[in-house]
Amino acid sequence: QKEVEQNSGPLSVPEGAIASLNCTYSDRGSQSFFWYRQYSGKSPELIMFIYSNGDKEDGRFTAQLNKASQYVSLLIRDSQPSDSATYLCAVSVNTGFQKLVFGTGTRLLVSP
Amino acid sequence: DVKVTQSSRYLVKRTGEKVFLECVQDMDHENMFWYRQDPGLGLRLIYFSYDVKMKEKGDIPEGYSVSREKKERFSLILESASTNQTSMYLCASSLGVAGRANNEQFFGPGTRLTVL
Repeated sequence: QKEVEQNSGPLSVPEGAIASLNCTYSDRGSQSFFWYRQYSGKSPELIMFIYSNGDKEDGRFTAQLNKASQYVSLLIRDSQPSDSATYLCAVSVNTGFQKLVFGTGTRLLVSP
Repeated sequence: DVKVTQSSRYLVKRTGEKVFLECVQDMDHENMFWYRQDPGLGLRLIYFSYDVKMKEKGDIPEGYSVSREKKERFSLILESASTNQTSMYLCASSLGVAGRANNEQFFGPGTRLTVL
């Protein structure tokens, strides 16, 4: 069983809409949760991190965490074509080493 | 800003060659990581290091070794390159402060390795 699961997509949304990206994880001891954006041919870049239940907002991005349900999501408001990328969810592993486990990513396509 | 650099963006090697991939970070980070990324498989951890001369195996260490002689530099070595090691290789670093929850990793630009 995969430790971090994401729908591979593609998730297609029109420009200006809200894109909702979801991620579930299996390790109940995980404390930190990260969203990375990866453009084709480029390396992942950190968008947001969250480690408390609830919502965390940063500009057009909102991360939501529900530890009881082992679920983390990323909302992108007013989606732009430049948001078209693969979004990776990463979760800390409760091993004493500061490793992250990555999902395989959700591809987002924002059409003009 | 954290800067992680990798020695090459593209590399072509022949089967059986010894390959060195270099990674340097400039923010005094304790932890450094090597991943490979393949379509449909996502990011897979090869090795990581939490201190100079310390290393730990990740999920797929077979066929690879690493070296960390200085804090800022972490090298990945393919002892005898094979075609199934053709991939995108990504280096990352993180601060490594004990007890810190938000220990985000910062990635280098990646090296696309082709083994013929």
